[in-house]
Amino acid sequence: NAGVTQTPKFRILKIGQSMTLQCTQDMNHNYMYWYRQDPGMGLKLIYYSVGAGITDKGEVPNGYNVSRSTTEDFPLRLELAAPSQTSVYFCASSPGQGGDGRQPQHFGDGTRLSIL
Amino acid sequence: QKEVEQNSGPLSVPEGAIASLNCTYSDRGSQSFFWYRQYSGKSPELIMFIYSNGDKEDGRFTAQLNKASQYVSLLIRDSQPSDSATYLCAVNSGGSNYKLTFGKGTLLTVNP
Repeated sequence: NAGVTQTPKFRILKIGQSMTLQCTQDMNHNYMYWYRQDPGMGLKLIYYSVGAGITDKGEVPNGYNVSRSTTEDFPLRLELAAPSQTSVYFCASSPGQGGDGRQPQHFGDGTRLSIL
Repeated sequence: QKEVEQNSGPLSVPEGAIASLNCTYSDRGSQSFFWYRQYSGKSPELIMFIYSNGDKEDGRFTAQLNKASQYVSLLIRDSQPSDSATYLCAVNSGGSNYKLTFGKGTLLTVNP
């Protein structure tokens, strides 16, 4: 059982380049999330999805795009990379059942992205 | 703006001592509370969750919740060097989207 899988693990981009960070989960979770974590900081929510075809902005969505065509996959797209997007990116998922918020999120191993 | 506040530390305790990690939150409607452990260079790992006022124990870990004071804490008994990590407090933001708001984390160092 792989859980949440992120690729690539590391990447260096030049300013202005584009790339897609991949995230897939095999737990049949409805809810998926993308976070970024800067040094010494907590996790900031970029985008989230409550099911296939449904996405919404989080706290820091500017410069990013997402899509959710299947339950398993939730890719994050950077269109014009900027140095401010240098960070560690984590994808997470949760079952999304029930209405009381008792849904711990399970994280992938992260993608370390540097933009030079 | 929903906020979750933690002391950044570092919190340093000797091996075998009790480590106490604290977290306050601003949203009175928050329903569920999570503690994640994050080793340097690794992803967050869930270690405890609590929904009701009072204490919840799991092995050496005890989570404490006081909704009236908007305060949640994590106690680690018999601290071990392997407990050295950053501990992130996360609070459910309410609603049906299950979004979590994270604190910046407290760095714990357990000295042998």
